[in-house]
Amino acid sequence: DTGVSQDPRHKITKRGQNVTFRCDPISEHNRLYWYRQTLGQGPEFLTYFQNEAQLEKSRLLSDRFSAERPKGSFSTLEIQRTEQGDSAMYLCASSRGQGAYEQYFGPGTRLTVT
Amino acid sequence: AQSVTQPDIHITVSEGASLELRCNYSYGATPYLFWYVQSPGQGLQLLLKYFSGDTLVQGIKGFEAEFKRSQSSFNLRKPSVHWSDAAEYFCAVGAYNTDKLIFGTGTRLQVFP
Repeated sequence: DTGVSQDPRHKITKRGQNVTFRCDPISEHNRLYWYRQTLGQGPEFLTYFQNEAQLEKSRLLSDRFSAERPKGSFSTLEIQRTEQGDSAMYLCASSRGQGAYEQYFGPGTRLTVT
Repeated sequence: AQSVTQPDIHITVSEGASLELRCNYSYGATPYLFWYVQSPGQGLQLLLKYFSGDTLVQGIKGFEAEFKRSQSSFNLRKPSVHWSDAAEYFCAVGAYNTDKLIFGTGTRLQVFP
């Protein structure tokens, strides 16, 4: 169990640029989640995948956000035309199943939009 | 709508003192309840979870939590705090038919020697 990894750990970008983050889940986990955490708040759910299928998206996920998990393994989260309000920690988690199964979190990618 | 409230934004205790962090939830069905800890620059680590059965659950690092349905609470406790417990603590609620966790806003714990 090597844990959930995320890349990059930090990203500074200028407003209007596109950014992409990567998440590698624990290998035997079929569910993968993205959350966003802003300063002073708890993580907020963005979206999740079961294998390669994206099953739920939060209303927080505007049209500028897109997530993929093309082969049911790693996932990418892309933000187009970044805005200063997108500055946050983006957390990825994975689990074996829904509900009672523990979600294991990665270290996060901190995005700063200038 | 489901929600989690952590009334204490910041708590300061002396090393060796007891600790209780409060969590109240709102959820129509039987909830699954979790406590996570987040150290600076780190991801969230699960301390303990409640699904059913015994309402007093034991977790890692000497933490325990008690589920009280009548009070819609799931408070986290530790009898003797160590300096290494200083971190941010998050309570979260989930359910059998959903994959997303709803988190509270967190409680920052500061420990003085």
